[in-house]
Amino acid sequence: QVQLQESGPGLVKPSQTLSLTCTVSGGSISSAYYYWSWIRQPAGKGLEWIGRIYISGNTNYSPSLESRVTISVDTSKNQFSLKLSSVTATDTAVYYCTRSDNAWGQGTLVTVSA
Amino acid sequence: QSALTQPRSVSGSPGQSVTISCTGTSSDVGGYDYVSWFQQHPGKAPKVMIYDVTKRASGVPDRFSASKSGNTASLTISGLQADDEADYYCCSYAGSYKVFGTGTTVTVL
Repeated sequence: QVQLQESGPGLVKPSQTLSLTCTVSGGSISSAYYYWSWIRQPAGKGLEWIGRIYISGNTNYSPSLESRVTISVDTSKNQFSLKLSSVTATDTAVYYCTRSDNAWGQGTLVTVSA
Repeated sequence: QSALTQPRSVSGSPGQSVTISCTGTSSDVGGYDYVSWFQQHPGKAPKVMIYDVTKRASGVPDRFSASKSGNTASLTISGLQADDEADYYCCSYAGSYKVFGTGTTVTVL
């Protein structure tokens, strides 16, 4: 059974870049059958789709975040990553990684504050 | 892009049925047969219940059903149970990305 685990700094300063990694276990990230996505949720608010990557390297991003987001994959480590640049307090949220929006990590809280 | 519109809350007594609507546009809900529904209990990660408009995810009881008409998708929970009390989100493909609904809190009275 596939499991996903987010990791990265829990505190990021405004204007800096948020970087998170999702480690996949119990399955290969190299499967062409799936895509790997990031979704976030501010406290007490709804879900926001950030973007996804296929093992081919093709990516899709939310238009509202596209200018600041990069998602990449490292098959040698069975991991994929999220980078969000120029963060502000509005980027404070629980960030989830998923496999095809089906299997989810437990989520990690990232707070943007000086 | 705008979030899909869902009612803020719906409620029902145990055993009753409730329906949650999810309204978008012809660029998302109405344009593709790729609507999913997620259930989220407090403090937990969301869980997919329905995908591709009507297909139940593995292990999801048949009390959960879904449909779509035009730009509106719907999720129906029949035989409401206490554990169904949660937040529900719809999600639609929108051409090259996905968009979530605003979320609906289901309360079991």
